[in-house]
Amino acid sequence: AQTIHQWPVAEIKAVGSPLSLGCTIKGKSSPNLYWYWQATGGTLQQLFYSITVGQVESVVQLNLSASRPKDDQFILSTEKLLLSHSGFYLCAWRVSGNTLYFGEGSRLIVV
Amino acid sequence: GDSVTQAEGLVTVTEGLPVKLNCTYQTTYLTIAFFWYVQYLNEAPQVLLKSSTDNKRTEHQGFHATLHKSSSSFHLQKSSAQLSDSALYYCALSEDGSSGNKLIFGIGTLLSVKP
Repeated sequence: AQTIHQWPVAEIKAVGSPLSLGCTIKGKSSPNLYWYWQATGGTLQQLFYSITVGQVESVVQLNLSASRPKDDQFILSTEKLLLSHSGFYLCAWRVSGNTLYFGEGSRLIVV
Repeated sequence: GDSVTQAEGLVTVTEGLPVKLNCTYQTTYLTIAFFWYVQYLNEAPQVLLKSSTDNKRTEHQGFHATLHKSSSSFHLQKSSAQLSDSALYYCALSEDGSSGNKLIFGIGTLLSVKP
């Protein structure tokens, strides 16, 4: 069975500090991976997607970046956090038929 | 661009009574798939229903939805709401064929089931 794991579960970070969120998927080779963001009280917004190692496409510009260093790993990062980056970050992978399966999410509070 | 509209931000229903969550859409793509995702408090969204066939009823966990392309709708219904159904429900549209198979979500409807 496929599993998706995100880390950290939650973080409180200062404005201007760097951030790195990780996502690992096991049990699926060459998955399509996605980063979604959910602001408090907001809807889910796709940020990035990746169909293969080393290839990442940006969907929304939020002063964030993403990388796919390994087939089973997807990283979301920024060198300088903004207050507006607070929210719930979800990694997802796609199976056949366009269904997305989400990880447990990483909750970020920027102060 | 494509969009999903969930007109009600909050729906409150009494346990045991029927519930309907509305979802309409606008899309420029001919081949599309629709989803209902449910998100319980402090958890990630999980898929509840999926459909890509016009006028075909889809059921799961007591919920059902029928895609009606003629009215651009994919409403979610349940005949008898349970307390455990209280959650945030997202209607979503998959842009089939586009790069990355983007999933577009509505703003979500919070369902509150009261005793």
